[in-house]
Amino acid sequence: KNQVEQSPQSLIILEGKNCTLQCNYTVSPFSNLRWYKQDTGRGPVSLTIMTFSENTKSNGRYTATLDADTKQSSLHITASQLSDSASYICVVSVYNTDKLIFGTGTRLQVFP
Amino acid sequence: DAGITQSPRHKVTETGTPVTLRCHQTENHRYMYWYRQDPGHGLRLIHYSYGVKDTDKGEVSDGYSVSRSKTEDFLLTLESATSSQTSVYFCAISEGTSGSTDTQYFGPGTRLTVL
Repeated sequence: KNQVEQSPQSLIILEGKNCTLQCNYTVSPFSNLRWYKQDTGRGPVSLTIMTFSENTKSNGRYTATLDADTKQSSLHITASQLSDSASYICVVSVYNTDKLIFGTGTRLQVFP
Repeated sequence: DAGITQSPRHKVTETGTPVTLRCHQTENHRYMYWYRQDPGHGLRLIHYSYGVKDTDKGEVSDGYSVSRSKTEDFLLTLESATSSQTSVYFCAISEGTSGSTDTQYFGPGTRLTVL
């Protein structure tokens, strides 16, 4: 069964600290992996998209990694800001289909 | 929100009544999607469209229908709303398929409550 699991479910950190969010998937065949940020009450916004051949992709203070062999991805946030408080969703695309498999997200709260 | 609007943004309705949600885009993207988001679940695809009058079902399509008569508009209809359809509904657009690396842009969402 195609699944995307994220951990932790929720995370609290202090402003300025770094954190890493995890995503494990069992999707096959794999096409690409996406990370989205969703602020409360708003739609998700794309952070990164990585294909099978990409190991790392950055978007400002956000860096995503992908290990296609172990089917794991991580999203690292550097020097967190209050505005980073949001849910972060990992999404995997099934090759040669229009299917996206969404994780349930990690809720990050950044406190001053 | 990348030129995507959804209407209404909030709606409360009663069980058994028909409801239509509208998604409008100004980006001229080919693909349009309707998702629902519920606590404890990831976003789930209801229906999608790959062109005018071309639509297909997603994983949770029962009880929903869609129509796309113009590139810019994608309508989601609940023929007879049920309490299990209480959810937040998101429209999304993209230039290419989900299998491509084209970004999916999401609208602001519609919160629907069925009493």
